[in-house]
Amino acid sequence: DADVTQTPRNRITKTGKRIMLECSQTKGHDRMYWYRQDPGLGLQLIYYSFDVKDINKGEISDGYSVSRQAQAKFSLSLESAIPNQTALYFCATSDRRGGALNEQFFGPGTRLTVL
Amino acid sequence: DQQVKQNSPSLSVQEGRISILNCDYTNSMFDYFLWYKKYPAEGPTFLISISSIKDKNEDGRFTVFLNKSAKHLSLHIVPSQPGDSAVYFCAASFTGNQFYFGTGTSLTVIP
Repeated sequence: DADVTQTPRNRITKTGKRIMLECSQTKGHDRMYWYRQDPGLGLQLIYYSFDVKDINKGEISDGYSVSRQAQAKFSLSLESAIPNQTALYFCATSDRRGGALNEQFFGPGTRLTVL
Repeated sequence: DQQVKQNSPSLSVQEGRISILNCDYTNSMFDYFLWYKKYPAEGPTFLISISSIKDKNEDGRFTVFLNKSAKHLSLHIVPSQPGDSAVYFCAASFTGNQFYFGTGTSLTVIP
């Protein structure tokens, strides 16, 4: 079984709809991240959380919100989706005990299309 | 502004030869660097890392070189194998908490 899972894997929605992307991990890591990947732009950090009570904005948080429901679960919401939020979204986890070179473990990604 | 840049979107090499992937960064505060590999329909997976106190780190066929004065790092794969065909991302951080990723280089190893 995958250590980091994301649901759904693919989603097509319409402008203005509320969308939630979910991420679960079985690695026991305390840190979780949400990234988006756009063609030609690499991965950009949206939000990150170092524990259940700690949420931080990343480079491109506008238009997104997150919820850390438990250590193992981190969800990303688009309150009112717009077409330029069409992208590939990745969840990742890391262990704070890994130190500054803490490797991040990525989920398989969610492909979101906003029409 | 993109703080981490990979100026070569793609690279093709023959099997058995050396692959050299390059990455440049603009923020002199960056002191931790990682390389990730990504296959289609999968998330990135960690490959190798280096901190700014070193200029080289080696792991099997993979070696990362860091030139702090030039704000440049490179990943060398020797010998290249067809299974190495993937997109490679470099990432940099100055806190170890938030990493900035490059745009990726798609490597094709020709059998």
